[in-house]
Amino acid sequence: DGGITQSPKYLFRKEGQNVTLSCEQNLNHDAMYWYRQDPGQGLRLIYYSQIVNDFQKGDIAEGYSVSREKKESFPLTVTSAQKNPTAFYLCASSIRDGSGYTFGSGTRLTVV
Amino acid sequence: SQQGEEDPQALSIQEGENATMNCSYKTSINNLQWYRQNSGRGLVHLILIRSNEREKHSGRLRVTLDTSKKSSSLLITASRAADTASYFCATADSYNFNKFYFGSGTKLNVKP
Repeated sequence: DGGITQSPKYLFRKEGQNVTLSCEQNLNHDAMYWYRQDPGQGLRLIYYSQIVNDFQKGDIAEGYSVSREKKESFPLTVTSAQKNPTAFYLCASSIRDGSGYTFGSGTRLTVV
Repeated sequence: SQQGEEDPQALSIQEGENATMNCSYKTSINNLQWYRQNSGRGLVHLILIRSNEREKHSGRLRVTLDTSKKSSSLLITASRAADTASYFCATADSYNFNKFYFGSGTKLNVKP
């Protein structure tokens, strides 16, 4: 089945640690996105990539980094510079025609 | 900001009743989409309406778009307990129709 897979489902981070969230898709989509969702809130765009080896900052990129070395993969690293990382992180992908996103099931990150 | 705003923030109805949610946005759009999110899960694409369309139907869903008022509504007819979820509108701007801005959502509770 084609889809988009995020792992892990739950992640715990200690203060000062970097952690990496995985996002893999087998939909042959060109574009991939990372969003952050805080409780009771909408989604805020962290980074997006429209093509391999290229990505752009979204509205809240500070404290995050990404790479896009393969079409299928768009990992997100939450660095120690992100002071309030506890949130639900959603990865999405799309064909580059504006027809909408396919979302993964999310990773819940908690700082302990 | 392009971000849409949904209204109401929360809606509680009985099974069988209709549910109407509204979305307002600020700038010109290419299209508007509605997504559904079950608690703790990723978002699922429901329906897309383009800026030159006024109304669209999909099963029990009816979406309207009024570009002069910069607003859209989502109507779910004959609601079911399984419709309980949060509903988000997302707008793609005219210049980058692959980049979507999400509102903060309407939390719908359908009581059996």
